[in-house]
Amino acid sequence: NAGVTQTPKFQVLKTGQSMTLQCAQDMNHEYMSWYRQDPGMGLRLIHYSVGAGITDQGEVPNGYNVSRSTTEDFPLRLLSAAPSQTSVYFCASSYQGNQPQHFGDGTRLSIL
Amino acid sequence: DQQVKQNSPSLSVQEGRISILNCDYTNSMFDYFLWYKKYPAEGPTFLISISSIKDKNEDGRFTVFLNKSAKHLSLHIVPSQPGDSAVYFCATLFQGAQKLVFGQGTRLTINP
Repeated sequence: NAGVTQTPKFQVLKTGQSMTLQCAQDMNHEYMSWYRQDPGMGLRLIHYSVGAGITDQGEVPNGYNVSRSTTEDFPLRLLSAAPSQTSVYFCASSYQGNQPQHFGDGTRLSIL
Repeated sequence: DQQVKQNSPSLSVQEGRISILNCDYTNSMFDYFLWYKKYPAEGPTFLISISSIKDKNEDGRFTVFLNKSAKHLSLHIVPSQPGDSAVYFCATLFQGAQKLVFGQGTRLTINP
């Protein structure tokens, strides 16, 4: 059972480039979410989805887009990367949003 | 404005002793509280949770205490073991909002 799978594990981008962080879960969870972790800040919610076709903004959504076309996948898009988006990104899922979430192992992203 | 605060960035405890990690929150609307444990290069893993209708929840060596009047949450680990060395995050949510809010984390080191 793979759980929550994030790809890639590491990525270096130049300012202004775009990219998509992939997240897939095989637990048939309805709720999926993206967080970023920065030193001294804990984890902050970027976007979340309560089911296929439904997404909403979290605490720090600016500069990021999401879509949820299937239950399994929840990609996070950076439209024009900025150095302030250098961070570790975690994807998580659960049956419902008010239940403990399962996290992937993260994507470490550096923007030069 | 940080709604969930873990004021101790780090804590060092001798093996076999009790570890106490603390968390304060500002919003009395939060009604579900969780603790996550994180090892380096891995995603957070759920440890234990408590609903606001309780003031204590136990799971083996781990006990979470909730003091609603003080808006304070604590995690007790006894006896502490070397494998408990990790970063611990407290998190809270409104069960209707489905948005987790994390504290900054406390790095626990268990010394042999």
